[in-house]
Amino acid sequence: AQTVTQSQPEMSVQEAETVTLSCTYDTSESNYYLFWYKQPPSRQMILVIRQEAYKQQNATENRFSVNFQKAAKSFSLKISDSQLGDTAMYFCAFVLMNRDDKIIFGKGTRLHILP
Amino acid sequence: GAGVSQSPSNKVTEKGKDVELRCDPISGHTALYWYRQRLGQGLEFLIYFQGNSAPDKSGLPSDRFSAERTGESVSTLTIQRTQQEDSAVYLCASRQYYASYEQYFGPGTRLTVT
Repeated sequence: AQTVTQSQPEMSVQEAETVTLSCTYDTSESNYYLFWYKQPPSRQMILVIRQEAYKQQNATENRFSVNFQKAAKSFSLKISDSQLGDTAMYFCAFVLMNRDDKIIFGKGTRLHILP
Repeated sequence: GAGVSQSPSNKVTEKGKDVELRCDPISGHTALYWYRQRLGQGLEFLIYFQGNSAPDKSGLPSDRFSAERTGESVSTLTIQRTQQEDSAVYLCASRQYYASYEQYFGPGTRLTVT
């Protein structure tokens, strides 16, 4: 069975700093997708970034980037120049490709950006 | 529609009453998911639909919970004889099966059982 682990329940950083959220996962499969979702206080889940496991290059989306280490089964999210609007719950998620399967979510990291 | 919609946005009900929660997925999205999120917690998978069949019901917590879907559109999640522990946000998500793997979420229904 696939599992996703987020070891940091809660984090706080000052505005404009860089912060890294950790995520590890476990699977015996080789073809999958990884995601980071953001859930602000409005509770709307928003996709932040996605990574295909077959791609070696780390995905980036503006201030958001990932460090994907396939051998280590690690998928961390780096937020550069953090902004107050980044305050949210962040969920790491995993899904197998070409399978009739659900996305597996981690338990989340609550991130506070301090003014 | 432009996104996944859910109704009602908030629902307060008395213990023992039945409730129905509705989800309208993005048009063309064949896969639909229901999750439960208790206060400050992560997402708890409930059920998954591919079209109007439900290949994975493994997350339904008890026989008080049921869900159905009409074709590849609206889904309803029904909770019978609600209990206080059912209080949570119920999130619905949809995706275009095999074309894209990310799920698009609705805004959720906050259920409060008093």
